Amino acid sequence: QKEVEQDPGPLSVPEGAIVSLNCTYSNSAFQYFMWYRQYSRKGPELLMYTYSSGNKEDGRFTAQVDKSSKYISLFIRDSQPSDSATYLCAMSFGGAQKLVFGQGTRLTINP
Amino acid sequence: EPEVTQTPSHQVTQMGQEVILRCVPISNHLYFYWYRQILGQKVEFLVSFYNNEISEKSEIFDDQFSVERPDGSNFTLKIRSTKLEDSAMYFCASSEPLAGSYEQYFGPGTRLTVT
Repeated sequence: QKEVEQDPGPLSVPEGAIVSLNCTYSNSAFQYFMWYRQYSRKGPELLMYTYSSGNKEDGRFTAQVDKSSKYISLFIRDSQPSDSATYLCAMSFGGAQKLVFGQGTRLTINP
Repeated sequence: EPEVTQTPSHQVTQMGQEVILRCVPISNHLYFYWYRQILGQKVEFLVSFYNNEISEKSEIFDDQFSVERPDGSNFTLKIRSTKLEDSAMYFCASSEPLAGSYEQYFGPGTRLTVT
């Protein structure tokens, strides 16, 4: 079983739709959960960062962590064409330790 | 806004040659990392560095790889004898754990092509 699993997509939705992106993980020791956005041939850009379970909101983005189900989600409201990118989930065991990434989901928002 | 920078953006080298990839982390950050991403694959951890020593390394980070912080601003990754399979995007990242916050910020990457 892979440590972090993420559907690679591609996912294509119309502008204005609510987008739901998800990852599952196998190791319950993960404590910190992140979502990154990556444009083609660019570096990952940090979007959301959460510790342990719960929700966190930042503008149009909401991150959810359900540690009991080992499941994390990113919701994008009022999606824009500029949101078209690959979204990577990442997690760490704690402190300043290494990040373990999912495969990334390629998202396209159609005008 | 402070950002991680990396040079060069693209490096082409022949198999067996040595390459040095350079990074300037965010200035007040204390933890530094290298990751790589082979085309179409996951971002993979290589090594983390803190207080002038390696704090963690992956199985990928064998004796052909080394890291150094030669001065107060640069952080380098050296590959001694490159192989074809070293072709990938290499990302530097840094973090500053203030008040329990461990966000890692990534640079734009260096695309390494080994021929």
